[in-house]
Parts: sequence; structure tokens; C-alpha cells
Amino acid sequence: GENVEQHPSTLSVQEGDSAVIKCTYSDSASNYFPWYKQELGKRPQLIIDIRSNVGEKKDQRIAVTLNKTAKHFSLHITETQPEDSAVYFCAASIEKLVFGKGTKLTVNP
Amino acid sequence: ETGVTQTPRHLVMGMTNKKSLKCEQHLGHNAMYWYKQSAKKPLELMFVYSLEERVENNSVPSRFSPECPNSSHLFLHLHTLQPEDSALYLCASSRLAGGFGNEQFFGPGTRLTVL
Repeated sequence: GENVEQHPSTLSVQEGDSAVIKCTYSDSASNYFPWYKQELGKRPQLIIDIRSNVGEKKDQRIAVTLNKTAKHFSLHITETQPEDSAVYFCAASIEKLVFGKGTKLTVNP
Repeated sequence: ETGVTQTPRHLVMGMTNKKSLKCEQHLGHNAMYWYKQSAKKPLELMFVYSLEERVENNSVPSRFSPECPNSSHLFLHLHTLQPEDSALYLCASSRLAGGFGNEQFFGPGTRLTVL
């Protein structure tokens, strides 16, 4: 079955810096790659997703890139703000979503 | 209330108790999911229902028993749980069960403590 690896497990940046979280997946048939943000004590919420026929997608300060050949995808957050502090999960999907183990991002003011 | 709701939000039970978790989605989705979230395995899929039919049982012990009476409601029946089952149990729904259109909407979770 699908296996998703996510790195790093923790990331600390200064406000205004960029943050990058990387994920790799094992099943080349995966065709949908969402990213979820979970703030402390709250539910995971979708922040951006990308489908396998697209290489990059951007939404304001966040962007996701997908390299199907290498089977990896990344989340990029620019101009980070303290409210970006949360746990971020990547996932890959064919029939079901398989999640990475999460990255705890801390943005220091 | 819109979206995905879960009750109760907090539950404390003994190992010999029987309790049920309830999930309801108001999004018109066809697929519903149970996840277990703990420090060791942040988002662990337990069960998937598509059009009220169970399509995935991710090697979950039989002390967890799901029920999906219709596409809007999902239950997780609990009995003779172990302390290691203490976790946040998240329900989610999506328009479709797989591939494209698989954006999942999560409920707020039930924080379960087994004494």
C-alpha cells in the first residue's frame, strides 16, 4: 500500500522567513496530494491541494510543488506569520488518503 | 450546525464500559471516515464508509465497531477498551471515497480517555 514520509517533524522559523515541508510517497498511482493544517486543539483543515496532472499550485503565501518522477511534493510558506504556527500534514491518495506523520511548525515573532 | 459534528466532545470510560461516538455530516457527502489521532500515530485511518458500505477496515481491533446507518451518520461503538486506546477520535467526510474529489472535512473530534 501507499506510504508517505514527511520531513522535518519539527520546524522553527522567524517571522517573515520561508518554511518548506517535504513529503515523499511510494505508490506512483497516487493522484491527489492535499495538505492539512491543524492548529492546537482544533480539527485538521485543508489549506491547499494538488492533482497529479499539475506541477505547481499557489494560493497567496502558500504553494505546493509536485515531482511525479521523484514521487515527492512540498509545501512552501512565504512571509511566515505567528498564526502559521500549527501542525501540517501531507497526504497522498488513490482510493484513500494516507497521511504523513506531521510537521510542527513554530513561527517565532 | 453546518459541516461535520461529533458528540460527545470528551469521554472518560472504564475498560468494562460500552459507549458510542457519533458523527454527523451536513455536507451531502457520500463517504465517511474514522481516524485515530495520538502522539505515536498522528492520523491513523480506522474505517471508511462509501454510500453506507464499509470499504476499508484498517486492521482495527474488534473492540471498535463502526456503524453507518445512512450517508449522514456514522457511529463508533466502543467496548472493553484498553488504556492505550485513549486518543482523539476524528470523523471526516468527503464527496467521494477515492482519488479526485477526496477532500476530507474533519469534525472537531472526541477526546477519549480510558481508565
